[in-house]
Amino acid sequence: DIQMTQSPSSLSASVGDRVTITCRASQTISSFLNWYQQKPGKAPKLLIYAASSLQSGVPSRFSGSGSGTDFTLTISSLQPEDFATYYCQQSYSTLPYNFGQGTKLEIK
Amino acid sequence: EVQLVESGGDLVQPGGSLRLSCAASGFTFSTYWMSWVRQAPGKGLEWVANIKQDGSEKYHVESVKGRFTISRDNAKNSLYLQMNSLRAEDTAVYYCAREDSGSNYPPYYYYMDVWGKGTTVTVSS
Repeated sequence: DIQMTQSPSSLSASVGDRVTITCRASQTISSFLNWYQQKPGKAPKLLIYAASSLQSGVPSRFSGSGSGTDFTLTISSLQPEDFATYYCQQSYSTLPYNFGQGTKLEIK
Repeated sequence: EVQLVESGGDLVQPGGSLRLSCAASGFTFSTYWMSWVRQAPGKGLEWVANIKQDGSEKYHVESVKGRFTISRDNAKNSLYLQMNSLRAEDTAVYYCAREDSGSNYPPYYYYMDVWGKGTTVTVSS
C-alpha cells in the first residue's frame, strides 16, 4: 500500500495568513494527488485534483503543487471559512486510495 | 441537482450485519465509478471500497475483505454496501462518493467530487 503522511498534523494561523500544508507519499504517485477540506459534521469537499487542478467553484486562494512523492496545498490568504481539516489522497493505480491523516487548521 | 443520499446506518451488535444504501440523483449514475469512504469518531478518512460502472470490477480495503461487499443497481441509481461480521472498529460515518477523472483519455486522475452527507454505523453490545 502507498502511505500518505501530512505535516503538520495541526496548525494555528490568523485570517489573512499564507498557509502551506505538506503531503508525502511513500512511493512515487506522479500527479495522482487530491486535496479535500472537511468541516466538523460535514462531508469532505474536493479542492484540488491531479495535484494542481482547482475544482470548479473553489476559490483561487487555494492552490496545489508537486509531483512524485512531495506535494503542497497552499492557501494564499486565509479566510474565516477556511478553518477546517484538510486531507490529501492518492489515486495512483494501486488501491487502496489512502488518505493522509489530516491537518487541522485552527484560528490563532 | 447532483446528489447522493446514504441510508441504512444503525446500532448493531458485534457479529451482526447491515446493508447501507446510497441513492444517486442529478447525474448519469451508470457512467461513474462509485466509492464508500468511512470515518471513525474523531479519526481521519478511510477508503473502504469502490466499484466500476457496470459492476464488473470491485475493490475492498484489506480490513473489510471477506466481510463487506460493494454492489450497485444502475436501474435504481443505487449503490450498496453489505456489511457482515461487524466489529467495534467498523463504527464510523460511512460516506458514498462519486469518482470522476475529468478526462476521457489517459491518464485518468481519479478524484471524489460528489459526496453524500453520510450514515452512521455503531457496532456495540
